[in-house]
Amino acid sequence: GAVVSQHPSRVICKSGTSVKIECRSLDFQATTMFWYRQFPKKSLMLMATSNEGSKATYEQGVEKDKFLINHASLTLSTLTVTSAHPEDSSFYICSGILSGPYNEQFFGPGTRLTVL
Amino acid sequence: QKEVEQNSGPLSVPEGAIASLNCTYSDRGSQSFFWYRQYSGKSPELIMFIYSNGDKEDGRFTAQLNKASQYVSLLIRDSQPSDSATYLCAVYSGGGADGLTFGKGTHLIIQP
Repeated sequence: GAVVSQHPSRVICKSGTSVKIECRSLDFQATTMFWYRQFPKKSLMLMATSNEGSKATYEQGVEKDKFLINHASLTLSTLTVTSAHPEDSSFYICSGILSGPYNEQFFGPGTRLTVL
Repeated sequence: QKEVEQNSGPLSVPEGAIASLNCTYSDRGSQSFFWYRQYSGKSPELIMFIYSNGDKEDGRFTAQLNKASQYVSLLIRDSQPSDSATYLCAVYSGGGADGLTFGKGTHLIIQP
């Protein structure tokens, strides 16, 4: 399958700081990438759809000014959590679509964010 | 609204038995169907996908699709304790940049 990487895998920050998470498709071009958040023992929650060269589409209830998404190239999307607070502590996972007849979606390994 | 339904479980299966995971979906126009495995604290991993009615086998895994009944299942033969995880069913309904619609997952426990 296709490979998606994320960096960093784990980050701890102080309340009020901003954190940037990178998502890269390593062996395919991902015109569309997705950002998810998952709290412990809960389901995946889609936050936003990131399209290369255009503005991201956010799901209802997700603050676009707090979660800044940039998809500047076909292999890189970034999520910046601005002015992070403890309630933003979560597991953030990105994924990319392998364009083709089946549109398989491959996930990155995730980034665990802890805001103190 | 597109929906994908799964029994949340936990589904407990003895080691060596067949684990059967089920999923129903609401959008009759859905085109591709995926099964992901997610271990605790890890991201989902694609196990299999199926797009035609019938069975598709890959090792110990068999995906089954019945579009008339809007039903897709995953069978795991010779279940191992390492198969214990949450299994997510996902459906692609077309639309180019649209992603998958995920079920909430079934928690599978393989008892040694």
